[in-house]
Amino acid sequence: NAGVTQTPKFQVLKTGQSMTLQCAQDMNHEYMSWYRQDPGMGLRLIHYSVGAGITDQGEVPNGYNVSRSTTEDFPLRLLSAAPSQTSVYFCASSYYGLADYEQYFGPGTRLTVT
Amino acid sequence: AQSVTQLDSQVPVFEEAPVELRCNYSSSVSVYLFWYVQYPNQGLQLLLKYLSGSTLVESINGFEAEFNKSQTSFHLRKPSVHISDTAEYFCAVSAGTGNQFYFGTGTSLTVIP
Repeated sequence: NAGVTQTPKFQVLKTGQSMTLQCAQDMNHEYMSWYRQDPGMGLRLIHYSVGAGITDQGEVPNGYNVSRSTTEDFPLRLLSAAPSQTSVYFCASSYYGLADYEQYFGPGTRLTVT
Repeated sequence: AQSVTQLDSQVPVFEEAPVELRCNYSSSVSVYLFWYVQYPNQGLQLLLKYLSGSTLVESINGFEAEFNKSQTSFHLRKPSVHISDTAEYFCAVSAGTGNQFYFGTGTSLTVIP
């Protein structure tokens, strides 16, 4: 199994540009989520999904869109990038149902918005 | 809602010395507690977790954490650290039937030769 994969690893955007961060998992996990990691702030949940066709907002959803058309993929879209979105983005997945399920993380995407 | 506090943002320690990384949580319901480790330029990996039963849980690389309900703590300890333990450590809490995790702000452990 490849686990959780993310592309790209690095990205530089100009303010106002749009892009999609890709996330895929091959473990048949129902639950997938996106976090952003900023210095001194830990990981904050952006959006999550409990299955294909179902998404919901996390702690910091503004400026981001998601969709879940398949179990495997959970792309994160930035519609109009802002410097405040400069961060490291992690995708994670797990089985859904009980809160004790371990989350598996991708390697991250480092995004810089100038 | 749940929250997690990691009081120490940076912990330098000499090689082979003991270390404790502190984690406190707040929750109105029963929780599950986790420690994740992040090595440089990598994603997070599960180090250990408390779900129920024995309050002392151990990892395969010598770390242990003890769930203390009365003090709402889940401190991480290792009796003798190695250079390879240098990493960022995150405490996390989850509760109920959902999968939402709440992470602390992280503790950067630096092991000094």
